[in-house]
Amino acid sequence: KAGVTQTPRYLIKTRGQQVTLSCSPISGHRSVSWYQQTPGQGLQFLFEYFSETQRNKGNFPGRFSGRQFSNSRSEMNVSTLELGDSALYLCASSLTLDPTGELFFGEGSRLTVL
Amino acid sequence: DAKTTQPPSMDCAEGRAANLPCNHSTISGNEYVYWYRQIHSQGPQYIIHGLKNNETNEMASLIITEDRKSSTLILPHATLRDTAVYYCIVRNSGYSTLTFGKGTMLLVSP
Repeated sequence: KAGVTQTPRYLIKTRGQQVTLSCSPISGHRSVSWYQQTPGQGLQFLFEYFSETQRNKGNFPGRFSGRQFSNSRSEMNVSTLELGDSALYLCASSLTLDPTGELFFGEGSRLTVL
Repeated sequence: DAKTTQPPSMDCAEGRAANLPCNHSTISGNEYVYWYRQIHSQGPQYIIHGLKNNETNEMASLIITEDRKSSTLILPHATLRDTAVYYCIVRNSGYSTLTFGKGTMLLVSP
């Protein structure tokens, strides 16, 4: 079956703009989480959604937001982009919120802010 | 989640076993040990996880010490495609998210 799909794979924005990234989880998976990966900070948890509700949130400013739709697809938005937002944004899906469940990651969306 | 300590890098010859250590001395009783790996520019990939018993699957084996303060991931016959960053993660049973550390960069050479 198809894996986690993230779009777009690459994008370039300028400071002050906003960006929306999309994630389609594996069919049947209801939990979606987002991570940011930068060379300096490594992989950091952004937020997690289950059944259209945000269940957990990492330590990121309010410029970072997300949502989940009834079909489990998720989007994250970053407003007023800063140079430091340049990163690989990874989406992961799992069947449920079961902490022992495996997370399946997508290939990521690489954002460059100029 | 408990913190983990891994060596920043390791080398392994192709065909040999790769043994990747991880220290998690502050692990608590309800925390699992997970291993993921990330091949360059790809999303992390699940390898294996365990609570207190040793585990084996088609990819690797996980050896957890009796006091659970450390573990070792074993890739029995490393190939060039196993070159990746390997993350050891201690995951609280009450949370489904992952807290990644710096990981170990494993370089498999011919």
